[in-house]
Amino acid sequence: GAVVSQHPSWVICKSGTSVKIECRSLDFQATTMFWYRQFPKQSLMLMATSNEGSKATYEQGVEKDKFLINHASLTLSTLTVTSAHPEDSSFYICSAGGTYNEQFFGPGTRLTVL
Amino acid sequence: AQKITQTQPGMFVQEKEAVTLDCTYDTSDQSYGLFWYKQPSSGEMIFLIYQGSYDEQNATEGRYSLNFQKARKSANLVISASQLGDSAMYFCAMGTAGGTSYGKLTFGQGTILTVHP
Repeated sequence: GAVVSQHPSWVICKSGTSVKIECRSLDFQATTMFWYRQFPKQSLMLMATSNEGSKATYEQGVEKDKFLINHASLTLSTLTVTSAHPEDSSFYICSAGGTYNEQFFGPGTRLTVL
Repeated sequence: AQKITQTQPGMFVQEKEAVTLDCTYDTSDQSYGLFWYKQPSSGEMIFLIYQGSYDEQNATEGRYSLNFQKARKSANLVISASQLGDSAMYFCAMGTAGGTSYGKLTFGQGTILTVHP
């Protein structure tokens, strides 16, 4: 199957700083990518849909100014957690795919905010 | 709106035995897909099996099979001949074929499977 990478795998930052997470489709082009958030031992919750060349679509309750998404090319989407706080500590996972029945997930990024 | 329900927070099974993980769903869409993913402690999401809403036969992938009962809106995962490496969190998920939800997945709460030697 297709490969999706994420960078970094894990990051620790101080409260108040911003953190950027990259999601790349390595061997295919993705006009749409999805960002999910997962707390320990809980389900994946969709945060937003990242659309290449246009604004992201955020799910209800997700702060747009807090979680900035940029999908500048067909192989790269970035999620920036601005002014991170301890409650933003979570596991962030992206996915991409060509069809609705074929979504490939990145390995995830574990964010810890001190 | 779509909803996925997994009612088993945890399941235990003896090595080499079969286990069924339950999943029920609710949707008003006519065309949808049902997925099962495995998530080991490393966090990666591993795709296991897919069932389309119009597929008449139950999907099978090696030791995994999906017991799809459309009228009951259930899509249970059956793992045959469990292995120690099967111990992980398992998620049932649903996706819609069309419209603005294309590609989005809605996940259930997950079931932690523990395989005993």
